[in-house]
Amino acid sequence: EDQVTQSPEALRLQEGESSSLNCSYTVSGLRGLFWYRQDPGKGPEFLFTLYSAGEEKEKERLKATLTKKESFLHITAPKPEDSATYLCAVSSGGSYIPTFGRGTSLIVHP
Amino acid sequence: NAGVTQTPKFRVLKTGQSMTLLCAQDMNHEYMYWYRQDPGMGLRLIHYSVGEGTTAKGEVPDGYNVSRLKKQNFLLGLESAAPSQTSVYFCASSYAGPTDTQYFGPGTRLTVL
Repeated sequence: EDQVTQSPEALRLQEGESSSLNCSYTVSGLRGLFWYRQDPGKGPEFLFTLYSAGEEKEKERLKATLTKKESFLHITAPKPEDSATYLCAVSSGGSYIPTFGRGTSLIVHP
Repeated sequence: NAGVTQTPKFRVLKTGQSMTLLCAQDMNHEYMYWYRQDPGMGLRLIHYSVGEGTTAKGEVPDGYNVSRLKKQNFLLGLESAAPSQTSVYFCASSYAGPTDTQYFGPGTRLTVL
């Protein structure tokens, strides 16, 4: 059974204070690892897909990295508008059922 | 493009009542999904469809039924609502399967009394 654990559950940062969110996973045959951003009262919004260990992707202040056991979402010099819940999900083997983590709630104070 | 839309946005039901949630996408996507999101838990897949006329069970299918009569629409039905079905329901679609980007709708907040 696939498992996804995100840490920390909640993170408070000051504007400009860089940090990282963690997504640890246990799967049999990773097909893809996904990062989404979810604002309160809205649906998840796609950020990145990573397919193999060593892969990295960047978008503005966000950078996602992947190893064989975990993924990190690095946030460089965050701004208040980066405040949201960040979700990690994995797809594995021949399953059509992605497994989502519980998310990390990020608050960036001005 | 409107992307993925969901109807209704909010609904309150009494135990035993039935209802249908509608999901529509205008991106010509083959794959569509219904999830539920509960506090303290990750998104869980209820049912999904790999194309018009097809449906399959996800992780938590009990108490729900779905239909995909048209490629752009995916309906989620609750035949006899229970309080345990109080949740936020999200529809998503993707072009090429579960390893492809999923685009989510805005959600339907359902309360069952």
